[in-house]
Amino acid sequence: GAVVSQHPSRVICKSGTSVKIECRSLDFQATTMFWYRQFPKKSLMLMATSNEGSKATYEQGVEKDKFLINHASLTLSTLTVTSAHPEDSSFYICSARVLAILGRGVTDTQYFGPGTRLTVL
Amino acid sequence: GENVEQHPSTLSVQEGDSAVIKCTYSDSASNYFPWYKQELGKRPQLIIDIRSNVGEKKDQRIAVTLNKTAKHFSLHITETQPEDSAVYFCAVSGDSNYQLIWGAGTKLIIKP
Repeated sequence: GAVVSQHPSRVICKSGTSVKIECRSLDFQATTMFWYRQFPKKSLMLMATSNEGSKATYEQGVEKDKFLINHASLTLSTLTVTSAHPEDSSFYICSARVLAILGRGVTDTQYFGPGTRLTVL
Repeated sequence: GENVEQHPSTLSVQEGDSAVIKCTYSDSASNYFPWYKQELGKRPQLIIDIRSNVGEKKDQRIAVTLNKTAKHFSLHITETQPEDSAVYFCAVSGDSNYQLIWGAGTKLIIKP
């Protein structure tokens, strides 16, 4: 399957600082990426849809000025948690829509990065 | 909007037995139904998916069945093994933006 990487895997920061998380599609181009947040023992909560070259679409209740999303290329989307607070501590996971894999035809599904564990002190 | 319900929330089966997890959805226009497996602290892994033009799909010990009329689909795992222990999520999509609507998850426990 398609490979999606996410960096960093774990980050601890002080309250009030900003944290950037990168999501990369390694062997395919992803015009659409998604950012999720997951609380312990809970399902994935979609935060926003990131489309290459355009503004992200945020879900209701997600502050776009706090969770900045940039999708500047077909293989990279970033999520920046600005002025982080302890309540922002969570597991953040990105996924990429697999639109095409070169040499193996076209597929259309969603693959996930390994996640980033954010702890805000 | 779409609503996805997943049952049961926890399922404990004896090793070697079969496990079935069911999801229902509300939007008849939905046309893509993937199942993901998530181990503790790790990413969700796509294990099988089905589209609305197919009623059943099988991959070794894993199968998914879809009943479009009743708007439900199920994951079937046969000959369960300890490594099948994980949380399983169903999802539904039909949105042009390809957003997935997620079930709440089922914790599958395989008893030795």
